[in-house]
This record gives sequence, structure tokens and C-alpha cells, in this order.
Amino acid sequence: DAGITQSPRHKVTETGTPVTLRCHQTENHRYMYWYRQDPGHGLRLIHYSYGVKDTDKGEVSDGYSVSRSKTEDFLLTLESATSSQTSVYFCAISEPFRREGTGELFFGEGSRLTVL
Amino acid sequence: AQSVTQLDSQVPVFEEAPVELRCNYSSSVSVYLFWYVQYPNQGLQLLLKYLSGSTLVKGINGFEAEFNKSQTSFHLRKPSVHISDTAEYFCAVSAGGTSYGKLTFGQGTILTVHP
Repeated sequence: DAGITQSPRHKVTETGTPVTLRCHQTENHRYMYWYRQDPGHGLRLIHYSYGVKDTDKGEVSDGYSVSRSKTEDFLLTLESATSSQTSVYFCAISEPFRREGTGELFFGEGSRLTVL
Repeated sequence: AQSVTQLDSQVPVFEEAPVELRCNYSSSVSVYLFWYVQYPNQGLQLLLKYLSGSTLVKGINGFEAEFNKSQTSFHLRKPSVHISDTAEYFCAVSAGGTSYGKLTFGQGTILTVHP
């Protein structure tokens, strides 16, 4: 299994509170991603990073921010959580795609967030 | 822009029967196609992918998929399923290059294998 650790794995919080989810990798992969999974929507990309301090928005970035100060850590922050952000959040890592057999995504086990 | 439609939200099947999970996509550019599997309370695992070449691709656990460019489809098949194949399956596309990991997923198909 790829060395990806997400924390916390489960969190319940109240509307309006800040929340930070952490993704830690031991694979030294350059690219990192945050996806959210919701029933009927599959997974949707929130933010991604191509390297330290190099981040960009995905499909559903509103209400989220990210930071990557070290290769191994990618933080997802909800500045003021809302009920619509109740979801399961997955971190993924990869190396750059250059040829067949490269660039594959490896997913963490997910962080389940409930916003009351 | 890309989109993916999985035509069945749930597929029940008996053990040892064949199964097909359907996926259609739309894109204005050439795409790479993927199938992922998610077992309960776990992350996603790559089953197979189509990048180029032969339109029939084989993956892990006996699954295969056929890329049909004219029908913009990438259906997943297995000739004989096992109880352990019970899981949710996701079809996904990406544009490749630096966007290789920026996947657009379908809604998912829950495969339930009954004894």
C-alpha cells in the first residue's frame, strides 16, 4: 500500500467552525490532490498541488483552501464549515505522467467529515 | 470540459454470472480512461486504464474493458463474478499530460454479488 495517511479519519463539527484535514505521504511523490466523495456525484477534485507551494483550484474549490509547505504534507482547510461540506474527503498522490506505467494515482483511506 | 456517465447506479448479480458495468464519456479532447474500485470504508484502487493502442484492456481481478471511440464508451466486464467483487466501481477520464491526475469521475455503480 502507498504510504498515505489522512487525519483525522472522522470528525464531527459545527457550522461556522474552521476545520483542517491533513494528508501525509511517505512516497516523496510530487503531485497531491484533494477529492470529495458524495453519493450520486462520485469524486470531485477540490484542489491539487504540483509541488511545494504550487497549488491550484479544482472543480469544487469554493469554501476550501490548501497549503503545501513540505513535499510530504498537503493540508485542506475549511475556513468556516457549512453543512454542504459534509462529505468524505480523499487525498491522492502521484508522480508526473511521462509514459505508460507512470502517473498513477494512489488514494488514502479517506476522512469522513460531518458538519452539523 | 469532460463528463462521465455511469448508466447504472446499482447492479445486482449472482455469483459466477457475467457482469457489465456501463460508462459513457464526453470530451472535446482525447482522453485517458480509467476504472477504479472502492471496497467499503477504503480508498480507491485502480482496476485498469486505457491510454492508447489496443481497445481491449485487461486489469486486475479478471476485469476487462473495451474502449469504443465512436460510441464514446468504456464498459467494464467480467465473465464470472465472485462474492468478493461486491464493491462500488467508478469510471473516470483525464486529459493527460500535467492533467493526468485531475480525474473526472462518474457517479459510481454499486455491484452486489449474491450467492
